Amino acid sequence: EIVLTQSPGTLSLSPGERATLSCRASQSVNSNYLAWYQQKPGQAPRLLIYDTSTRASGIPDRFSGSGSGTDFTLTISRLEPEDFAVYYCQQYGTSVLMTFGQGTRLEIK
Amino acid sequence: QVQLVESGGGVVQPGRSLRLSCAASGFTFRNYDMHWVRQAPGKGLEWVAVISQDGSITLYPDSVRGRFTISRDNSKNTLFLQMNNLRAEDTAVYYCARDLKLGAPDYIDYWGQGTLVSVSS
Repeated sequence: EIVLTQSPGTLSLSPGERATLSCRASQSVNSNYLAWYQQKPGQAPRLLIYDTSTRASGIPDRFSGSGSGTDFTLTISRLEPEDFAVYYCQQYGTSVLMTFGQGTRLEIK
Repeated sequence: QVQLVESGGGVVQPGRSLRLSCAASGFTFRNYDMHWVRQAPGKGLEWVAVISQDGSITLYPDSVRGRFTISRDNSKNTLFLQMNNLRAEDTAVYYCARDLKLGAPDYIDYWGQGTLVSVSS
């Protein structure tokens, strides 16, 4: 079973700054089948990125994903106030269909 | 618009059973694989189960296999999760969720608001 480790645990930035979130897999991710979700307090997660770099429907282009193999990145080019939330990466696997990282909390500095 | 509305959560004693339901609307339910995902209080996300469009294929992680059963009624646009022999570690918000697309890979594009299951004596 692939384990996803996200870093940092908490990221403190100001609106307008660039955010870089990391997701590292314990083994190579199958065909780079990796997604990113955003979750705000009291809400369900929201799909941002899938297949490493494809933005989901309605997601602004300030969100971008990249990476391959075991190292993946979610970049938010210029933070808006509504972007402060918890972000999870998720990979599609074989032994376990879906596994998630432990999350990165993006907070306002 | 796509709506997923869970129900059936509550407080239950260890070893007992609970059945969750999810009413789907705003899309052609029978055309999508469906999932249950849970989130323990203050914790991350854990995938719990998936069911294929026609209900013929179901998959589970080791943590719930043999205790939980996912099923669906396509005539009523409803997804279910039967949870037996519940443990304290099953305490979580349970989300009903729609798969983004048919076949591999599996991602989730719509989530319900969640229903809280609390296992406590």
